[in-house]
Amino acid sequence: TQTVSQSDAHVTVFEGDSVELRCNYSYGGSIYLSWYIQHHGHGLQFLLKYYSGNPVVQGVNGFEAEFSKSDSSFHLRKASVHWSDSAVYFCAVSSNSGTYQRFGTGTKLQVVP
Amino acid sequence: DMKVTQMPRYLIKRMGENVLLECGQDMSHETMYWYRQDPGLGLQLIYISYDVDSNSEGDIPKGYRVSRKKREHFSLILDSAKTNQTSVYFCASSLSGPETLYFGSGTRLTVL
Repeated sequence: TQTVSQSDAHVTVFEGDSVELRCNYSYGGSIYLSWYIQHHGHGLQFLLKYYSGNPVVQGVNGFEAEFSKSDSSFHLRKASVHWSDSAVYFCAVSSNSGTYQRFGTGTKLQVVP
Repeated sequence: DMKVTQMPRYLIKRMGENVLLECGQDMSHETMYWYRQDPGLGLQLIYISYDVDSNSEGDIPKGYRVSRKKREHFSLILDSAKTNQTSVYFCASSLSGPETLYFGSGTRLTVL
């Protein structure tokens, strides 16, 4: 069974700072890894995903994530955050054999203006 | 228009009442999902549907059932709601299993 963990429940940074949101997974086979964003009162929206190839994937709004097989990680980064990036971010993992995505518990990012 | 629509947005029910949550999508996606979201637990999968009348249990199916009679429509039913089913319920769809999920805006259900 694949699992995904997000060790930081809350992260607070100032506008213009860089940020890294951490995601670690546990699975032995080929997997899809994704990040989603949830603004308050809304559903989740897709940010980016990795399946194979270049381990650094680019997403919308300046977000990128890097896959590391050795660390079993898929951390999300942004070089310079804006107050509108304040939201909850979810990491998700699924196998490529057609099973569903499992989500982490989420990291609430607060950007202070 | 690539949209997942959930109705209603807010719902208050008494313990023991039946609850029907509805979800529609306009993308002709094969796969649809029902998740619930609780603080500190993230999203937990209740049921997954691979197509019409092809439904499978997720991680927490107890107390729930689903119905999918048309590809674009997926319902979640709570027969005799319980207070511990108070939660925010999200419907999602995808082209196939591990592909990008498209989520609805959620239904906040309160069971008193």
